[in-house]
Amino acid sequence: DGGITQSPKYLFRKEGQNVTLSCEQNLNHDAMYWYRQDPGQGLRLIYYSQIVNDFQKGDIAEGYSVSREKKESFPLTVTSAQKNPTAFYLCASSVGTGGYQPQHFGDGTRLSIL
Amino acid sequence: KQEVTQIPAALSVPEGENLVLNCSFTDSAIYNLQWFRQDPGKGLTSLLLIQSSQREQTSGRLNASLDKSSGRSTLYIAASQPGDSATYLCAVDSGAGSYQLTFGKGTKLSVIP
Repeated sequence: DGGITQSPKYLFRKEGQNVTLSCEQNLNHDAMYWYRQDPGQGLRLIYYSQIVNDFQKGDIAEGYSVSREKKESFPLTVTSAQKNPTAFYLCASSVGTGGYQPQHFGDGTRLSIL
Repeated sequence: KQEVTQIPAALSVPEGENLVLNCSFTDSAIYNLQWFRQDPGKGLTSLLLIQSSQREQTSGRLNASLDKSSGRSTLYIAASQPGDSATYLCAVDSGAGSYQLTFGKGTKLSVIP
């Protein structure tokens, strides 16, 4: 089945450590996104990518980095500069033309601090 | 800057009741509005997408309406079931070619058997 796979489901980070969250899609979508969700809050956009080798900062990009070397993959690195990384991270994708297509989401990665 | 508000934050109804969830947004210049469902600890499932030129969309027991001029959307759920219990999120795409969605904080729905 086509869909978005996020791994791992749970991730723990030590102080000063960088961690990478994986997002893979087999929907042949051009656009991919990373969101952060905190309890009782709406989703906030971290980064998005419209095509391979291109990505743009969202509203809360500080302390995060991404790459888009392949159409299917959009990994997110939470760096040590992100001082409050504990959250639920969601990856999404869309066809990416004209903004009239729905975004499809993975099942998320929950990141906690050790 | 676009802001999206969902009221109420939580709602509890008996099984079988029809219900309405509300979503309001501050900037009426939107490309589309999307309703999602989120189960605890899970990702989002897209329920309905209404383009800016449309007034409503229907899928099964769900009907979403859009009034751009007043900055409002409603999600109507008919004959609610316990399986409908989840958090419902509204998101708007304000365009500018970036496909960015602005989300509300959601309405947590509990349908009591």
